[in-house]
Amino acid sequence: GQQLNQSPQSMFIQEGEDVSMNCTSSSIFNTWLWYKQDPGEGPVLLIALYKAGELTSNGRLTAQFGITRKDSFLNISASIPSDVGIYFCAAYQGGSEKLVFGKGTKLTVNP
Amino acid sequence: EAQVTQNPRYLITVTGKKLTVTCSQNMNHEYMSWYRQDPGLGLRQIYYSMNVEVTDKGDVPEGYKVSRKEKRNFPLILESPSPNQTSLYFCASSFSGANDQPQHFGDGTRLSIL
Repeated sequence: GQQLNQSPQSMFIQEGEDVSMNCTSSSIFNTWLWYKQDPGEGPVLLIALYKAGELTSNGRLTAQFGITRKDSFLNISASIPSDVGIYFCAAYQGGSEKLVFGKGTKLTVNP
Repeated sequence: EAQVTQNPRYLITVTGKKLTVTCSQNMNHEYMSWYRQDPGLGLRQIYYSMNVEVTDKGDVPEGYKVSRKEKRNFPLILESPSPNQTSLYFCASSFSGANDQPQHFGDGTRLSIL
């Protein structure tokens, strides 16, 4: 099946630093989603992207839907300890009701 | 409060003993889905349902069954569990299966099959 290549696999940063992670694919997708998973909980939706080139912000989070429709990135500015968790990209292909997930980026923020 | 509720949250059981994990949503969502999450593999879809009485296989359906007799409930059934089904399971729902509808997840069920 289609795959999303998410990188990096893990990140260790200092509080206050900016973070960037991305997902790429060889396939075209119509919708990109970014989720965060805290330990012991289910993924929670952070940002949804519906148009190629779209840039959307949610507080300190910014995500973009790549112009080729094959990639997306998520930036977190001025990280804080509660940003710790696993971030997943996910995407829908056109005409498909299946949501494909990346393997996640585990973020650790040192105070 | 809008939510997806899974039960149980944790279960340790033995090989071959049938088990059911329930999932219920209170948002009147048409689309429901089951995923398993394993280290290094991310989330993989097991089964999904576009509406009542409509279910389809996801990427890893072997060893699982589902049913959708009512809109709000989507139980996951392991008829004869095996150790390779030890995993963290998530149920999710969305308003429809259309690809502009983000899915909302439950808090997960951790299954250990001995």
